[in-house]
Amino acid sequence: KQEVTQIPAALSVPEGENLVLNCSFTDSAIYNLQWFRQDPGKGLTSLLLIQSSQREQTSGRLNASLDKSSGRSTLYIAASQPGDSATYLCAVWRTGGFKTIFGAGTRLFVKA
Amino acid sequence: NAGVTQTPKFQVLKTGQSMTLQCAQDMNHNSMYWYRQDPGMGLRLIYYSASEGTTDKGEVPNGYNVSRLNKREFSLRLESAAPSQTSVYFCASRRTGRISTNEKLFFGSGTQLSVL
Repeated sequence: KQEVTQIPAALSVPEGENLVLNCSFTDSAIYNLQWFRQDPGKGLTSLLLIQSSQREQTSGRLNASLDKSSGRSTLYIAASQPGDSATYLCAVWRTGGFKTIFGAGTRLFVKA
Repeated sequence: NAGVTQTPKFQVLKTGQSMTLQCAQDMNHNSMYWYRQDPGMGLRLIYYSASEGTTDKGEVPNGYNVSRLNKREFSLRLESAAPSQTSVYFCASRRTGRISTNEKLFFGSGTQLSVL
């Protein structure tokens, strides 16, 4: 059974700090991984998708990497801002597969 | 440019009542999903549909039924609602296939369901 773990569960940092969120998964098959952001009471907003043939993706201050051999992905947020405060979730699935499994998320709070 | 549309946004039921959550996507995606989200537990997969006419159980299917009415629509039915089904429900869709190059998962805005 595929399990997805996100560490830490919660994180509080001062504004301007660089930070790393972690996502690990147990199945060693080739995977795609997508990072999402969720604001309280809202739906999920896609941040970055890393397909199985890729190692990382970048969008603005965000960089996500995928290491299939170790079953890990990291989401790097540079120069954090109060507006980055949200819950960040990762999801994994096999290429061409259908079942998509989520981690429980990391709740981030950036203090002004 | 609607994407994934869910209805209703809010619903309150009494124990034992039934209801259907509707979901439609306009992106010509072949696979569709229903998730529930509970505090501290992330999103858990209830059912998914790989293509029109097929459905499969996810992690927490008990108490739910689904129908893939056509390629656009995927509904979730609670036949006899229980308080344990109080949750936020999300529908999602994605294009999948061996040669698919863009398999990004798109979400609806959610349905907040309370069962009293």
